[in-house]
Amino acid sequence: NAGVIQTPRHKVTGKGQEATLWCEPISGHSAVFWYRQTIVQGLEFLTYFRNQAPIDDSGMPKERFSAQMPNQSHSTLKIQSTQPQDSAVYLCASRVGGGDEQYFGPGTRLTVL
Amino acid sequence: GQQVKQSSPSLTVQEGGILILNCDYENDMFDYFAWYKKYPDNSPTLLISVRSNVDKREDGRFTVFLNKSGKHFSLHITASQPEDTAVYLCAAGRNNNNRIFFGDGTQLVVKP
Repeated sequence: NAGVIQTPRHKVTGKGQEATLWCEPISGHSAVFWYRQTIVQGLEFLTYFRNQAPIDDSGMPKERFSAQMPNQSHSTLKIQSTQPQDSAVYLCASRVGGGDEQYFGPGTRLTVL
Repeated sequence: GQQVKQSSPSLTVQEGGILILNCDYENDMFDYFAWYKKYPDNSPTLLISVRSNVDKREDGRFTVFLNKSGKHFSLHITASQPEDTAVYLCAAGRNNNNRIFFGDGTQLVVKP
């Protein structure tokens, strides 16, 4: 079991560029979560999917951020026109349907110059 | 408002001591309570969790106490070690509802 896989581990973009972050949940896990982690804000919930369907995106910034889960094996978080304040570690987590423990991936460190 | 709150952003103790980390929650329908541990530059991992049908769960040096009437739960760590130095995140949620809510974390430092 490789755990939750996130790619890339590090990404540097220029202001205004697009960034796409990838997450591969643990096989068999039906719930996928995205979080953003910064020193100032701590762990912020962004969105989650259950059985590939979007369930709650209340944490997503209304503009520039979008997330998809086209199949059970991966999810993407896309940030358009990145801004320096988007710099953070973006964490993906997955969970067995009906289970409690969330397993976090290693995160993608996004730096917007 | 924030669903789960940790009132202490940091705590420093001497090695070997007992420490208590606290967490308050808003929703009295929550029935799952957990503590996650996070080392610098690592992702959070589950340390210990408890369901609402019990008010205590012990796992080695770590014990979770749940006070449902007070909407409060705590993590007790005995015989603290420098390796316990980490950020501790409390989390709570409802069964059959896949989202759990995290607190902001408490930075614990255990001095040798």
